[in-house]
Amino acid sequence: GAVVSQHPSRVICKSGTSVKIECRSLDFQATTMFWYRQFPKQSLMLMATSNEGSKATYEQGVEKDKFLINHASLTLSTLTVTSAHPEDSSFYICSALARDQVGAEQYFGPGTRLTVT
Amino acid sequence: AQSVTQLDSQVPVFEEAPVELRCNYSSSVSVYLFWYVQYPNQGLQLLLKYLSGSTLVESINGFEAEFNKSQTSFHLRKPSVHISDTAEYFCAVSYGQNFVFGPGTRLSVLP
Repeated sequence: GAVVSQHPSRVICKSGTSVKIECRSLDFQATTMFWYRQFPKQSLMLMATSNEGSKATYEQGVEKDKFLINHASLTLSTLTVTSAHPEDSSFYICSALARDQVGAEQYFGPGTRLTVT
Repeated sequence: AQSVTQLDSQVPVFEEAPVELRCNYSSSVSVYLFWYVQYPNQGLQLLLKYLSGSTLVESINGFEAEFNKSQTSFHLRKPSVHISDTAEYFCAVSYGQNFVFGPGTRLSVLP
């Protein structure tokens, strides 16, 4: 089946620094990837939709200058949390739509736990 | 707009007992339906999905869900749960490229 990886799985960074999270589709091409944020004991909140070769579409209330998304290839999307603050600490999950599978399932990565100290 | 409701935030059940996790959705268009399971500190794993065809879908580990269009429901059931089924379960609907998750149900299986 389709596999999506995320790196790193856990990261601790200091307040004010930036951290990059990678999302890769390992055995398929993904024209569309999604970035979610999950707070403890809560559901997933869609942050943005990332389309290969174009700008990401951000959900209302998500700061695009703070959460930079780059989908440079059909197998890689990155999320960079800039000038991180403790309130950015969260579980970030990406997912990918296999090419030509609009409306079908999303394949999820294992998530990245970000802790900002 | 599409929405997903999971009325039970927590469901405690004893091992080997049956369980039903409820999911209702609201949509004005045709949707696809999914159940995902999330174990602690892990990502989501697809449990089962309904895209078309038979309204009863099954997973390899004994779960099943039935799509009921008239009641706009997609409840998840298992006749006999195991301790290892303890996890968070999310119902989701998709339409086009959009995906909407329910708030989740914490299933706790007690010995």
